[in-house]
Amino acid sequence: GAVVSQHPSWVICKSGTSVKIECRSLDFQATTMFWYRQFPKQSLMLMATSNEGSKATYEQGVEKDKFLINHASLTLSTLTVTSAHPEDSSFYICSARSPEAEQFFGPGTRLTVL
Amino acid sequence: AQKITQTQPGMFVQEKEAVTLDCTYDTSDPSYGLFWYKQPSSGEMIFLIYQGSYDQQNATEGRYSLNFQKARKSANLVISASQLGDSAMYFCAMREKTSYDKVIFGPGTSLSVIP
Repeated sequence: GAVVSQHPSWVICKSGTSVKIECRSLDFQATTMFWYRQFPKQSLMLMATSNEGSKATYEQGVEKDKFLINHASLTLSTLTVTSAHPEDSSFYICSARSPEAEQFFGPGTRLTVL
Repeated sequence: AQKITQTQPGMFVQEKEAVTLDCTYDTSDPSYGLFWYKQPSSGEMIFLIYQGSYDQQNATEGRYSLNFQKARKSANLVISASQLGDSAMYFCAMREKTSYDKVIFGPGTSLSVIP
């Protein structure tokens, strides 16, 4: 099956710093990628839809100035958590939609903000 | 409003027995798809099975089958012959055509398989 990678798999940072997470589709071109956040023992919550070459579409309640999304190419979307705080600590998962409209998930990135 | 409901926060099943995980959904879009994913403690999302709203037959994939009752807006997952490795979180998810194909998830069910 198709592979989607995320980097890094885990990151620890100090409060106030910014963290960038990459999501790559390795064997197909993805015009659309999605970013989810999952807190412990909760479900995946959709944060935003990332469209190649255009602005991301954010879900209600998600601060677009805090969670910057850039989908600069057909195989790469990045999520930058700006001025991270401990409450931003979470598991961030991306997914990529293939040309056949299947959706493949990355392995996730665990962010811990101290 | 909650679009996907999974009423069982936790379930136990004896090894080798079958188990049904419930899922109900809410949509007014005639074109939609329903998914089940497994999430072990490692965090990766493992695709299990898919059912399209226009599919006439219930989807099956190995030990997984989806009991699709369209009129009741129900899409229960049946796992036959449970194995210890089936212990994980299970999420029901939906994709609506009118929502640009974004997939939204239910709250999940934690399944524990007992030896």
